[in-house]
Amino acid sequence: QVQLVESGGGVVQPGRSLRLSCAASGFTFSTYGMHWVRQAPGKGLEWVAIISYDGSNEYYADSVKGRFTISRDNSKNTLYLQMNSLRTEDTAVYYCAKAPGSFAFYMDVWGKGTTVTVSS
Amino acid sequence: DIVMTQSPDSLAVSLGERATINCKSSQSVLSRSNNENYLLWYQQKPGQPPKLLISMASTRQSGVPDRFSGSGSGTDFTLTISSLQAEDVAVYYCQQSYSAPLTFGGGTKVEMK
Repeated sequence: QVQLVESGGGVVQPGRSLRLSCAASGFTFSTYGMHWVRQAPGKGLEWVAIISYDGSNEYYADSVKGRFTISRDNSKNTLYLQMNSLRTEDTAVYYCAKAPGSFAFYMDVWGKGTTVTVSS
Repeated sequence: DIVMTQSPDSLAVSLGERATINCKSSQSVLSRSNNENYLLWYQQKPGQPPKLLISMASTRQSGVPDRFSGSGSGTDFTLTISSLQAEDVAVYYCQQSYSAPLTFGGGTKVEMK
């Protein structure tokens, strides 16, 4: 079955960097767009970024543009989120999610999430 | 950016009664090219990731009980749970997929009365 497993979360100081990974299995990873979505403690969902099936197109939320980079390695069935210049407001559970198409703007399967805490 | 506004923030419904959640977008999410509304509904139970319930405003996903239905067009949408069950206690979110940046509503918490 389709499975998405995030990793790489942890506690990091403001201004530092962190890279999240998402290992995909159970589907042909290279043919689907992928998203990152985050949820701050006790808050709602915030979309972070999308990447197309081949990595040729990306969009970002304004709140992370210029600081975060989404990428993928189709040979490893893995999605990444490079997070630089982290801020306390980036503290959240980060979900990796699959799009139902090559660059679809919604999510049909979600991982369980990885927690990022930005604190001094 | 398209702003999504949900109401109410929370509601308590008795077992077997109807629950209605509203979602309004700040601009139309109806595509004139294919007459589809780019509006999704998700369910998030405590401690779990969200689950896609309904796509294109009214298309139930495989395995979603038929007590869940979505309706609306343009800027105004509704998620209805026709007969609330205990397992439906959750937070429900709408999302527009019409244009980036993608945006979610603030969520509606459904509780059992």
